[in-house]
Amino acid sequence: KNQVEQSPQSLIILEGKNCTLQCNYTVSPFSNLRWYKQDTGRGPVSLTIMTFSENTKSNGRYTATLDADTKQSSLHITASQLSDSASYICVVFISSGSARQLTFGSGTQLTVLP
Amino acid sequence: GAGVSQSPSNKVTEKGKDVELRCDPISGHTALYWYRQSLGQGLEFLIYFQGNSAPDKSGLPSDRFSAERTGGSVSTLTIQRTQQEDSAVYLCASSPKPGQGYYGYTFGSGTRLTVV
Repeated sequence: KNQVEQSPQSLIILEGKNCTLQCNYTVSPFSNLRWYKQDTGRGPVSLTIMTFSENTKSNGRYTATLDADTKQSSLHITASQLSDSASYICVVFISSGSARQLTFGSGTQLTVLP
Repeated sequence: GAGVSQSPSNKVTEKGKDVELRCDPISGHTALYWYRQSLGQGLEFLIYFQGNSAPDKSGLPSDRFSAERTGGSVSTLTIQRTQQEDSAVYLCASSPKPGQGYYGYTFGSGTRLTVV
């Protein structure tokens, strides 16, 4: 069964600190993995997209890593800002034309405090 | 348009009433998806449209839920006889045809449905 598990479920950090969010998956056949940021009341917005051959991908203060062997990904946020408070969702795409081509994690709720 | 547009952004309805949610995908995107996100939960697949093919309705939770996509563009998700457990954010996404790259996969901002 295709699954994506994220940890922690929630995280509270102080502004300016760094944090790392984890994503473990059992999805096959793997196509790519994405991290999305979802602000409250908004749709998810893509932060990074990583294919099988990519180990690291950065987008400003966000850096995602992917270990295809262990099927783990992480999202590292550097120098956090209040605006980083959101839900971060890990999504794994499979290589298929099927509608169920995406498997979503339940997200990590990040709160950045001043 | 430049992005996926959903309307209304918020909807409060009485239990038992019918509601219609609208999604206007990115121009040229042949694939359209509906998802439901209940409070504190992950995204749940509902239905998928791809071009003129028969839609994949396997995610619809009950026969109270239905969706249409007219002219291969705008889609409407209809929930009949709404129940309180239908309260959730309903997200629409569109993408180019699968196999042509997932990089255009884009979500709308969602419709927050509250059934009272």
